[in-house]
Amino acid sequence: AQSVTQPDIHITVSEGASLELRCNYSYGATPYLFWYVQSPGQGLQLLLKYFSGDTLVQGIKGFEAEFKRSQSSFNLRKPSVHWSDAAEYFCAVGVRAGNQFYFGTGTSLTVIP
Amino acid sequence: KAGVTQTPRYLIKTRGQQVTLSCSPISGHRSVSWYQQTPGQGLQFLFEYFSETQRNKGNFPGRFSGRQFSNSRSEMNVSTLELGDSALYLCASSIDRASSPLHFGNGTRLTVT
Repeated sequence: AQSVTQPDIHITVSEGASLELRCNYSYGATPYLFWYVQSPGQGLQLLLKYFSGDTLVQGIKGFEAEFKRSQSSFNLRKPSVHWSDAAEYFCAVGVRAGNQFYFGTGTSLTVIP
Repeated sequence: KAGVTQTPRYLIKTRGQQVTLSCSPISGHRSVSWYQQTPGQGLQFLFEYFSETQRNKGNFPGRFSGRQFSNSRSEMNVSTLELGDSALYLCASSIDRASSPLHFGNGTRLTVT
């Protein structure tokens, strides 16, 4: 069965520090991969997506993610975190069969001054 | 292009009542999915509709139902409300491909007292 794991429930970083949020998936083929961000009381906003090709993808707000097939991972990174990046981050997998999406449980990011 | 619109934004109901939530997808999007989000359970998939047909269904009791109209607008209904139904209900629309990301509305916050 397909699954998405975000091993870090909560992460705290200092403003200006680098950030990496982990995501691992379980799927027989290469899935479609997404990262979303959710601010309090809001819906989810798409940060970036990976379908094929270059394994390093750029997204909005200065985020990037790297697909590593050998590790079944799709980690999200940002070189320098801003206070406005404090939010909940979700990794998701899109599966061709049945056009279904699977979400991780999310990582809550706190940014301290 | 207008985003996904969910109404109402907030609802307060009492146990035993029923509630209907509405979702208008992005123009041209024929797939509409519903999710329940709670602090303890994360994002839980309710169901997905495409061309007025329920195509995928999550593991929720029959009290949760939905429908989709010919203009792709969707409604979900929860009957005999329970305290545990208090949650943020998110609607998402997409073009009908797993490679196409979900676009989320800002959700309806349901409180059951």
